[in-house]
Amino acid sequence: EIVMTQSPATLSVSPGERATLSCRASQSVSSNLAWYQQKPGQAPRLLIYDASTGAAGIPARFSGSGSGTEFTLTISSLQSEDFAVYYCQQYDNWPLTFGGGTKVEIK
Amino acid sequence: QVQLVESGGGVVQPGRSLRLSCAASGFTFNYYGMFWVRQAPGKGLEWLAVIWSDGGKKYYADSVRGRFTISRDNSKNTVDLQMDSLRAEDTAVYYCARWGYSARQILFDLWGRGTLVTVSS
Repeated sequence: EIVMTQSPATLSVSPGERATLSCRASQSVSSNLAWYQQKPGQAPRLLIYDASTGAAGIPARFSGSGSGTEFTLTISSLQSEDFAVYYCQQYDNWPLTFGGGTKVEIK
Repeated sequence: QVQLVESGGGVVQPGRSLRLSCAASGFTFNYYGMFWVRQAPGKGLEWLAVIWSDGGKKYYADSVRGRFTISRDNSKNTVDLQMDSLRAEDTAVYYCARWGYSARQILFDLWGRGTLVTVSS
């Protein structure tokens, strides 16, 4: 099983600032990586797939990068609606696995 | 309206069974693979099971293989999760989700709102 590790667990950021979230895979997943956003009491929402492709309707301030074992999600200028928990997910191999999440909170 | 709606959650005793159902609408259901994913209280996401669009292939996470069974009825646009031998650690919100991308892109592109399962005596 591929283990996905996200850091930091919590990120405190002021509105308008840049946020950088990291995700590491225990073995290479090529570019088969997705990012999801989850707000309290809601289901997750797909943000990024293939490591760097934005899903339909996702604002351009969300961007992804990386390949192999190291990945980054960047939110260029945090808006109030971006404070949430973010998960990475690999789909290179079964079983599908998620990282433990990064909570982006208001500083 | 494109949506998934889960039902069937509730409180169940350890060792008992429960069947969850997910009703799909607004899209051609038999085109898509479907998943079940869960989230324990205050915890992260855990993929549980997948069923291919024609129901011909199913995969399970180790944590539920042999206890949970995924099935679908393409005539009714539903996907079910039969959960047997439930344990306290199965307590979670259970989501169904759609496999909306290519065969290589095993992603969850549409999610339901979830149904809460509590396993407790």
